[in-house]
Amino acid sequence: EDQVTQSPEALRLQEGESSSLNCSYTVSGLRGLFWYRQDPGKGPEFLFTLYSAGEEKEKERLKATLTKKESFLHITAPKPEDSATYLCAVGGGNYGGATNKLIFGTGTLLAVQP
Amino acid sequence: NAGVTQTPKFRILKIGQSMTLQCAQDMNHNYMYWYRQDPGMGLKLIYYSVGAGITDKGEVPNGYNVSRSTTEDFPLRLELAAPSQTSVYFCASSRTGGRTEAFFGQGTRLTVV
Repeated sequence: EDQVTQSPEALRLQEGESSSLNCSYTVSGLRGLFWYRQDPGKGPEFLFTLYSAGEEKEKERLKATLTKKESFLHITAPKPEDSATYLCAVGGGNYGGATNKLIFGTGTLLAVQP
Repeated sequence: NAGVTQTPKFRILKIGQSMTLQCAQDMNHNYMYWYRQDPGMGLKLIYYSVGAGITDKGEVPNGYNVSRSTTEDFPLRLELAAPSQTSVYFCASSRTGGRTEAFFGQGTRLTVV
């Protein structure tokens, strides 16, 4: 069964305290792995796409990496404005004969305290 | 550039009522999706479409219907609303299926009482 699991469910950091969020996945025929940020009351906002093991993408204090079984979102020296829910999704799977499905994890709620 | 626009933002329905959630995108994307998000449960796919006139069920389609008569619009119909349909609904679109990022609307918060 296609599945995405994120850990931890919640993470509280002090400003400047670096950490990593994990996204483990099982999917038949990975087409892409996506990271999103979601603020309360808003829709998910796209951050990164990774396509193959070994690939890395960076944006400001965030860096996403990908292996064959999991992805990490590394947060370096976070600030309070980085507080949000971070969602991982994989594109792929075999659903109705088409590999068009985006499967989401349940997210990691990050709180960065000043 | 508006992106993905959902209306309404909030709605309260009584049990048994029906309504249509509207979704429009102006990016000429072929793929469109409807998700529901319940607290702690992540995003669950209700229906998706790979182009005008083509729709298919997602993980949780029961109690919902969709149509796609144009590339831009992908309305979600709730028939005979039930309390279990209380949720936040998100519409999204993408250029290709599963390989390019999806862009999301701001969501519709629906309460069924």
